[in-house]
Amino acid sequence: DVKVTQSSRYLVKRTGEKVFLECVQDMDHENMFWYRQDPGLGLRLIYFSYDVKMKEKGDIPEGYSVSREKKERFSLILESASTNQTSMYLCASSEPGQGTDGYTFGSGTRLTVV
Amino acid sequence: AQSVAQPEDQVNVAEGNPLTVKCTYSVSGNPYLFWYVQYPNRGLQFLLKYITGDNLVKGSYGFEAEFNKSQTSFHLKKPSALVSDSALYFCAVRDLYNFNKFYFGSGTKLNVKP
Repeated sequence: DVKVTQSSRYLVKRTGEKVFLECVQDMDHENMFWYRQDPGLGLRLIYFSYDVKMKEKGDIPEGYSVSREKKERFSLILESASTNQTSMYLCASSEPGQGTDGYTFGSGTRLTVV
Repeated sequence: AQSVAQPEDQVNVAEGNPLTVKCTYSVSGNPYLFWYVQYPNRGLQFLLKYITGDNLVKGSYGFEAEFNKSQTSFHLKKPSALVSDSALYFCAVRDLYNFNKFYFGSGTKLNVKP
């Protein structure tokens, strides 16, 4: 069964900490994505990557960065965590190009910044 | 700009009754439309998709959706709701200019009462 695995289900961090959220997929997908999910706002795209060492900003990249050193792993970095980054973070992967498949999502990481 | 809208934050239905979760889209060309479901503290799971062909699409767990081009809608339906259908439902459209990206609605919480 194909999987996208997010290393932590729940995280509590302090304001100002540097936070790493890890995502690993075993489907050999080229595309990987980070979303945050907030009530009433749905899913908002933070960053995405089409290939190793490639990244593109999504709709809300401020306060975040990403790293993709290996095809299967896509990390989201909060450089200096703030309380307004308390949210559910979802990682997803997909096949590239004009395929008709959707995303495969991880189970999410619920981050609380105190 | 491409987008989807889910006009209802919440839908309440009694078990055994039919359910409808609404979605409208705004896309300049032919849309690729998707429905996802999210159970509490989990990631999103793919339910069904419309790419082309028959306007009535059947998906997982007995769900179906009807594509209506004249009304620019893609409503999710099920003839007989189960309590276990209670979850958060997201409509999504694939970006026609960048097939690697999706735009999600804000989500509709479905409550099925016994």
